[in-house]
Amino acid sequence: GQQVMQIPQYQHVQEGEDFTTYCNSSTTLSNIQWYKQRPGGHPVFLIQLVKSGEVKKQKRLTFQFGEAKKNSSLHITATQTTDVGTYFCAGPGGGGSEKLVFGKGTKLTVNP
Amino acid sequence: DAGVIQSPRHEVTEMGQEVTLRCKPISGHDYLFWYRQTMMRGLELLIYFNNNVPIDDSGMPEDRFSAKMPNASFSTLKIQPSEPRDSAVYFCASSSRGPSTDTQYFGPGTRLTVL
Repeated sequence: GQQVMQIPQYQHVQEGEDFTTYCNSSTTLSNIQWYKQRPGGHPVFLIQLVKSGEVKKQKRLTFQFGEAKKNSSLHITATQTTDVGTYFCAGPGGGGSEKLVFGKGTKLTVNP
Repeated sequence: DAGVIQSPRHEVTEMGQEVTLRCKPISGHDYLFWYRQTMMRGLELLIYFNNNVPIDDSGMPEDRFSAKMPNASFSTLKIQPSEPRDSAVYFCASSSRGPSTDTQYFGPGTRLTVL
């Protein structure tokens, strides 16, 4: 079945530094979603990208969907301690399956 | 809206016991999902329902796991008998449209520990 690979698995930054996580699929995705999970919390939807080459911004967060719709990235500018958590990308399962398949996530820690 | 409601929030049980996890989806949402999250395997979809009907249960680990959705506002995930390797956080989520095209709203989760 469809797998969504996410790197890096962990990222530790100093507050104020930038952060980027990458998501890759072996097949073309119809869309990709991003979720954030705070420590001890549950995944919370951030955004969905649908169009090839799409770029969306939410304050300090920038989301990109690759031209081939096989990869995506999330970039955070000038991280803050409130950005701490695990960021997941998720895409359709493929092969006729409608289910959403989540990447393993990137755990971000921010040193104040 | 109260969001997705799960109970209990924490469950500690002994190996061999039956465990029942409960979920109330957001009113009006046609899709309900059960996920399991562990450090090793990440977030895995166990089963999902559309209009109370199970659509894809390929993620259910084995016959010890079963899920039901008797009506639009309630679902259960049962493990019988439970084993230590079932220890994980179980999330219920719901969405109003297709599972891979619409936002999924997650509940707070049930942290299960099987001793």
